[in-house]
Amino acid sequence: DQQVKQNSPSLSVQEGRISILNCDYTNSMFDYFLWYKKYPAEGPTFLISISSIKDKNEDGRFTVFLNKSAKHLSLHIVPSQPGDSAVYFCAARSYTDKLIFGTGTRLQVFP
Amino acid sequence: GAVVSQHPSRVICKSGTSVKIECRSLDFQATTMFWYRQFPKQSLMLMATSNEGSKATYEQGVEKDKFLINHASLTLSTLTVTSAHPEDSSFYICSAPRLAGHTDTQYFGPGTRLTVL
Repeated sequence: DQQVKQNSPSLSVQEGRISILNCDYTNSMFDYFLWYKKYPAEGPTFLISISSIKDKNEDGRFTVFLNKSAKHLSLHIVPSQPGDSAVYFCAARSYTDKLIFGTGTRLQVFP
Repeated sequence: GAVVSQHPSRVICKSGTSVKIECRSLDFQATTMFWYRQFPKQSLMLMATSNEGSKATYEQGVEKDKFLINHASLTLSTLTVTSAHPEDSSFYICSAPRLAGHTDTQYFGPGTRLTVL
């Protein structure tokens, strides 16, 4: 039972354009959502997060949007850069402080 | 720089042997550490929560006798895969929250690639 889903396994975007990564969840009890970036053979690194009481959080080129009614969140990267090429995981926090990860989306930014 | 380290980064072992993986928090103390496993093209799956000074808490479906966890100090947790089999081959990652109760400060180790022949 996958509580956090990333339905797009891969995304290819041209440099300078916007990258939009999507994530859906099923558990309405999740109270905090995070995005992580992961390079091959490395652990994930924290990118940006959002509390369930907010609908938007912005940090530089990265913006996360949360639609609680739709149980959907998205990560916008603009402008996209080649260095952004990585696998992006969304994660949701349960009340026990555990993180439930999605399956990841591989983003490739080409020149 | 890295704040959570793992050792070894890669290990190959024969079926039936045991393998120990170490996870260290480098410049902070962690009363809790998390162990994850990632199969190819799949998500990070939480295996267990390591608690300093007490027993680990295992997720449903994870065999505690097979995956032994010891949180011996505030900076070290170990995961021992006992009697490893080829199906245990995976990428194992640990994490630790820098601030207790703050998941957003959770730092991940670089991971350990285990291959069981």
